[in-house]
Amino acid sequence: GENVEQHPSTLSVQEGDSAVIKCTYSDSASNYFPWYKQELGKGPQLIIDIRSNVGEKKDQRIAVTLNKTAKHFSLHITETQPEDSAVYFCAASPSTNAGKSTFGDGTTLTVKP
Amino acid sequence: DAGITQSPRHKVTETGTPVTLRCHQTENHRYMYWYRQDPGHGLRLIHYSYGVKDTDKGEVSDGYSVSRSKTEDFLLTLESATSSQTSVYFCAIGAGQETQYFGPGTRLLVL
Repeated sequence: GENVEQHPSTLSVQEGDSAVIKCTYSDSASNYFPWYKQELGKGPQLIIDIRSNVGEKKDQRIAVTLNKTAKHFSLHITETQPEDSAVYFCAASPSTNAGKSTFGDGTTLTVKP
Repeated sequence: DAGITQSPRHKVTETGTPVTLRCHQTENHRYMYWYRQDPGHGLRLIHYSYGVKDTDKGEVSDGYSVSRSKTEDFLLTLESATSSQTSVYFCAIGAGQETQYFGPGTRLLVL
């Protein structure tokens, strides 16, 4: 089955700096890669996603890159703000099989003012 | 926020008792999912549904059953709760075969 590894498990940055979270996956059948942000006591919220036919996607301060050959994808947050502090999860799945979503173990991001 | 509610939000029960968690959506999405979240394990898929009365197993389905009699409701049942099922349970929905929106979660403690 699919195996998703996420690094680092914790990340602390100063406000205004950039943050990068990396994930690797094992199943070449995976073609959908979402990222979720989870604030304390809440459910995960989809913040950006990328499909395997695209190498990079950007949405304001958030970007995701995908390297299919190396089987890794990354989340980049620029100009970090204290409200970006949360747990971030990556996931990988084949878009034609709803039952095969595999999540990383999460990264706790702390943005210090 | 997507229209997903979960009930109850918190529950304490005893080992061996049956427990049913409810997920309700107002988005009319075809796909609904149940995940559990545990420290050190991230989110793991328990069961999912791709339509009324159509369900399938996920990664950690043992000890759980589901039912979907209406598009908007997806029930998760623990037939005989065990301490290993203490967890936070999240419902999620998606228009296609991709988990998009999560509910607020249910904290379950099995004593």
